[in-house]
Amino acid sequence: GAGVSQTPSNKVTEKGKYVELRCDPISGHTALYWYRQSLGQGPEFLIYFQGTGAADDSGLPNDRFFAVRPEGSVSTLKIQRTERGDSAVYLCASSSGQGYNEQFFGPGTRLTVL
Amino acid sequence: AQSVTQPDIHITVSEGASLELRCNYSYGATPYLFWYVQSPGQGLQLLLKYFSGDTLVQGIKGFEAEFKRSQSSFNLRKPSVHWSDAAEYFCAVAPYQKVTFGTGTKLQVIP
Repeated sequence: GAGVSQTPSNKVTEKGKYVELRCDPISGHTALYWYRQSLGQGPEFLIYFQGTGAADDSGLPNDRFFAVRPEGSVSTLKIQRTERGDSAVYLCASSSGQGYNEQFFGPGTRLTVL
Repeated sequence: AQSVTQPDIHITVSEGASLELRCNYSYGATPYLFWYVQSPGQGLQLLLKYFSGDTLVQGIKGFEAEFKRSQSSFNLRKPSVHWSDAAEYFCAVAPYQKVTFGTGTKLQVIP
């Protein structure tokens, strides 16, 4: 079956603009995660959804970052008033069920803020 | 809070040689531990995981890792490296769903 997909694969924007990054999880996976990977770093946890609700958003760096998953499937990460420091690869992952299960990662969206 | 240290940023090995990538973690209880591999243009792929039980864990692609509680380590090993193993490797720890990754070790394989 299809894996986790993310669109766009690349996004270039100007400082101060608003961007949306989309994640399509594996069908039937109830858990969805967003990570940010800066150059030379490992992925950094941002937020985790179980179904439609954010179960843990402790990794969101500030209130410019927001994520939704209105129907418990597709998720959108929204960044307002982008800054150059937001440039990174944004990774999405999904997993099945409750408890810890293997997270399957998408290829990521590379965001560049000029 | 949990943390992961991968002390080697970059490692070069010859094809056919053995490999060991180091990982040390910090967490108050027995954690879930993972190794992921990331190839250029590819998503992160899980190599192996440790939850409990046998401290020597077998993974995909011929990799294994050993959990040593006394040393807070979870080193990744492979007896004979192939050129296709060139990639970046991440150790990770999770008390539950929130996974914390190390900074990664980039593996170069030379003929």
